[in-house]
Amino acid sequence: EVQLVESGGGLVQPGGSLRLSCAASGFTFSSNWMSWVRQTPGKGLEWVANIKGDGGEKYYGDSVEGRFTISRDNAKNSLYLQGNSLRTEDTAVYYCARNVGGAFDYWGQGTLVTVSS
Amino acid sequence: HSALTQPPSAPGSPGQSVTISCTGTSSDVGGYNYVSWYQQHPGKAPKLMIFEVTKRPSGVPDRFSGSKSGNTASLTVSGLQAEDEADYYCFSYAGGNNFVFGTGTKVTVL
Repeated sequence: EVQLVESGGGLVQPGGSLRLSCAASGFTFSSNWMSWVRQTPGKGLEWVANIKGDGGEKYYGDSVEGRFTISRDNAKNSLYLQGNSLRTEDTAVYYCARNVGGAFDYWGQGTLVTVSS
Repeated sequence: HSALTQPPSAPGSPGQSVTISCTGTSSDVGGYNYVSWYQQHPGKAPKLMIFEVTKRPSGVPDRFSGSKSGNTASLTVSGLQAEDEADYYCFSYAGGNNFVFGTGTKVTVL
């Protein structure tokens, strides 16, 4: 059974940093593109970033380019998202998701990041 | 890339059909057959319902179907059931390494 479990969310002050983790199991992690997707409270979904199976390609949405870094450790079956210079508008539930073609076929339960003073 | 446009709400009675539209441009929905649809119940993670415009993942009822015409994709839920009441989001590849979600539609079963 495919499982994705996020962790690392919490309260961060504006300008601060946070590192999110996603533990994957039930599939060959290194064979899949993985993504982070976020959802602002009461609003819609936004694709944040994705990374190729071998970590050799990484891409970011416009709103996080230059501030967030996606990475992975295939030996640990884990996906990460490092966010720096956080803004109040980065407040959201962050999901990790497995990519299949142009879609996301499995999602984690999400972890809430609140950016506030 | 701007969010794809969806109607805010789509009401329907049990047993009826509802169709949700997802309007983009020739740079996203109209340019690629990589449109997917997600169902999200309150407090839960999104669930993949349709991928590559018309394909259903294993386990998704055949009451759910997808289509596309020009720059507009559509999700149809036939034989509406109480459990179908949820938010639905479309998603499209937008060229390069760009992706865009729709604004979301709340399906209400009357």
